[in-house]
Amino acid sequence: DIQMTQSPSTLSASVGDRVTITCRASQSISSWLAWYQQKPGKAPKLLIYKASSLESGVPSRFSGSGSGTEFTLTISSLQPDDFATYYCQQYNSYTWTFGQGTKVEIK
Amino acid sequence: QVTLRESGPALVKPTQTLTLTCTFSGFSLSTSGMCVSWIRQPPGKALEWLALIDWDDDKYYSTSLKTRLTISKDTSKNQVVLTMTNMDPVDTATYYCARTHSGSYGSFDYWGQGTLVTVSS
Repeated sequence: DIQMTQSPSTLSASVGDRVTITCRASQSISSWLAWYQQKPGKAPKLLIYKASSLESGVPSRFSGSGSGTEFTLTISSLQPDDFATYYCQQYNSYTWTFGQGTKVEIK
Repeated sequence: QVTLRESGPALVKPTQTLTLTCTFSGFSLSTSGMCVSWIRQPPGKALEWLALIDWDDDKYYSTSLKTRLTISKDTSKNQVVLTMTNMDPVDTATYYCARTHSGSYGSFDYWGQGTLVTVSS
């Protein structure tokens, strides 16, 4: 199975900061990658699909890039509502795998 | 609008079989390209994909859990059912159902609120 590795595991940042989270796949997944935001006690929310496509209704400060095995999620200017845990997720040949998560904390 | 809701027991004993139901609205599982998955999350841990069923009744399972899982659908009731046999305390988790479709490039665009299942004697 394809493994997904996120870094960092925890990130401390301030409102207004530019934040970047990295996700690496153990083998090429082309652009079959999604990013989610999850807040405590809530279901994950889709932010980005197909590596760089913004889900409808998601603020434009969120962006995704990458292909093959290396992907990034960038928040251009961190807002108070963005403090949460972020997960990447791959799809390949009818299997789906999530990364271990990156918690974005208030600095 | 699209909604999904999980239901099932909050507590199961070790070795028992868990049966969870996902009831959805706003889409049909008879529509080409539509799929529903089950995903779980142990307390404080990451998400884990479990199983998927598509509009054509094809079924796919997590490699590590496939001997314990069965997914099925009742299109007329807009429901998807997951059974997991031989439950263990390590299976304690919030279980989510979520939708994916051919236009979502493998992503899950709608999720249920989740249901916490505790495995304990």
